[in-house]
Amino acid sequence: AQRVTQPEKLLSVFKGAPVELKCNYSYSGSPELFWYVQYSRQRLQLLLRHISRESIKGFTADLNKGETSFHLKKPFAQEEDSAMYYCAFTPTGNTPLVFGKGTRLSVIA
Amino acid sequence: DTGVSQDPRHKITKRGQNVTFRCDPISEHNRLYWYRQTLGQGPEFLTYFQNEAQLEKSRLLSDRFSAERPKGSFSTLEIQRTEQGDSAMYLCASSPTLDRFQWETQYFGPGTRLLVL
Repeated sequence: AQRVTQPEKLLSVFKGAPVELKCNYSYSGSPELFWYVQYSRQRLQLLLRHISRESIKGFTADLNKGETSFHLKKPFAQEEDSAMYYCAFTPTGNTPLVFGKGTRLSVIA
Repeated sequence: DTGVSQDPRHKITKRGQNVTFRCDPISEHNRLYWYRQTLGQGPEFLTYFQNEAQLEKSRLLSDRFSAERPKGSFSTLEIQRTEQGDSAMYLCASSPTLDRFQWETQYFGPGTRLLVL
């Protein structure tokens, strides 16, 4: 079954500390992977996608096909990074997204 | 605001009643998706449309759920004979078929929160 696993429900880090939000997926092919973010009282929005290879708000994510992982990283956390983060994938990029359960990131001043 | 809009934002209903939610996608987005999100879970795909064609509906949770997009613009999601287990956030998203990377980016609406008493 196609599945996304985010093992941490809550991750608390101090401001300025490195952040890594874990994401593993179950799919044997070459999926397209995404990180979506939901800030307090805002709608779900795309943070970054694997294929664009961009760094958004200091976040990066590398696809590791061997480990079927797409962990989200940021070297220095900021208070404004506090939000709910969802990892998602689509098998072909042309089908609906499969979301993980999300990780709540709390950055402590 | 030119983003995806949903109406109503909140709905309280009694068990057994029918409810209908509306989604207005971003103009010219030809794909429209419906998701359901319950507490502590990520969004769960329900159905989607390409223009007026419903491309996938097997994930609708039961035959009490139905969706339409009659003119390829706005969409409605109807739940008949609501049950307490239907209480959730219902999200709509839209996307162009292609973006510059030829993969989809989905733009989400604010959601409709349903409470079934």
